[in-house]
Amino acid sequence: DQQVKQNSPSLSVQEGRISILNCDYTNSMFDYFLWYKKYPAEGPTFLISISSIKDKNEDGRFTVFLNKSAKHLSLHIVPSQPGDSAVYFCAASVRAAGNKLTFGGGTRVLVKP
Amino acid sequence: NAGVTQTPKFRVLKTGQSMTLLCAQDMNHEYMYWYRQDPGMGLRLIHYSVGEGTTAKGEVPDGYNVSRLKKQNFLLGLESAAPSQTSVYFCASSLDNVSGNTIYFGEGSWLTVV
Repeated sequence: DQQVKQNSPSLSVQEGRISILNCDYTNSMFDYFLWYKKYPAEGPTFLISISSIKDKNEDGRFTVFLNKSAKHLSLHIVPSQPGDSAVYFCAASVRAAGNKLTFGGGTRVLVKP
Repeated sequence: NAGVTQTPKFRVLKTGQSMTLLCAQDMNHEYMYWYRQDPGMGLRLIHYSVGEGTTAKGEVPDGYNVSRLKKQNFLLGLESAAPSQTSVYFCASSLDNVSGNTIYFGEGSWLTVV
């Protein structure tokens, strides 16, 4: 039973438009959420995070929104660029339990020029 | 500027064979992790270590053993490989244990068990 789910395995978007990636979780104990980006043949790299005490965090073109009541978070990329084409993983953790991350299945994003 | 290095990068094993994946980090991190990635499943934690000489089970530990004899190295062993262990394995390390943005991943090791 996956505690973190990314229901869209893939997403295609035109360059310059907004990419919206979604993530749902079931464990109400999760209090820290992250997005990782992964290129082929490379390890995941940290992109952006949000604590459960916030509902929004922004870093340049990337914004993460958290809706605790719905147990849902989303990542907005605007404007999307061809270099954003990658697999994006949502992850969650219980901070008191350390850096043991629970990952979603990933969403492959393709940004078309 | 190596970061987290995994060896080997690719390996094909026959069912029942044993092997060890080596992870080395040069960032003096206390915490180290082994994950496996399977299609549609994301990354799942196999084992982790909170310091030299310590190991603990993660989400999917069965069929694997680990050792952390030196702070910079974290070894993942498969004693008797099974086709279900065909996967991509990622090692990671972190400076602390409370901020996911401090986790650094290696480039992955592709393992096929036939």
